[in-house]
Amino acid sequence: AQSVTQLDSHVSVSEGTPVLLRCNYSSSYSPSLFWYVQHPNKGLQLLLKYTSAATLVKGINGFEAEFKKSETSFHLTKPSAHMSDAAEYFCVGTLAGGYQKVTFGTGTKLQVIP
Amino acid sequence: DTAVSQTPKYLVTQMGNDKSIKCEQNLGHDTMYWYKQDSKKFLKIMFSYNNKELIINETVPNRFSPKSPDKAHLNLHINSLELGDSAVYFCASSQRGPYGYTFGSGTRLTVV
Repeated sequence: AQSVTQLDSHVSVSEGTPVLLRCNYSSSYSPSLFWYVQHPNKGLQLLLKYTSAATLVKGINGFEAEFKKSETSFHLTKPSAHMSDAAEYFCVGTLAGGYQKVTFGTGTKLQVIP
Repeated sequence: DTAVSQTPKYLVTQMGNDKSIKCEQNLGHDTMYWYKQDSKKFLKIMFSYNNKELIINETVPNRFSPKSPDKAHLNLHINSLELGDSAVYFCASSQRGPYGYTFGSGTRLTVV
């Protein structure tokens, strides 16, 4: 079955420390994978995307993610957390063939402690 | 210069009423979507239209009816609103291919 799994529902880091938000996928096809961020009471904003080009993808606000086919993972990282990074993060995949029906992960809430 | 705009942003209404949410995109995308986000932040696709044609219709009560007058607009009409319809509804658009979505800022629907 096609799926996107975010391994942590909550992650808490101190300001200035690295961020790691984990995402695994299951797909019979070569997937396209995305990370979105949702700040409180806001819509979802695209952070970065992987579309079978470079496996290390850089996004906005200092975030990056690495596509690892052998591990079926697409983890989101940032070297140093900022207070403004506190938000909900969604890993999203276009996993199956056919028309662009995407699968959302269940979200990871990132808390940044001053 | 909003790319995907939804109106209204907030909607409070009584059970049994009929309401509509409008969505417009000025990105020239050919596909538009409606998603429902529940209280646990889980996003579930409801409908998708490509060039005014319905292409995805998930298991949604038939009280929900999407309408796409042109490829830049996708409206959502809900009849006989129920308490369980309370959620945030997001409109999104995309171009065909692995480009990701552009989301609207959401409509928070509260049924009382």
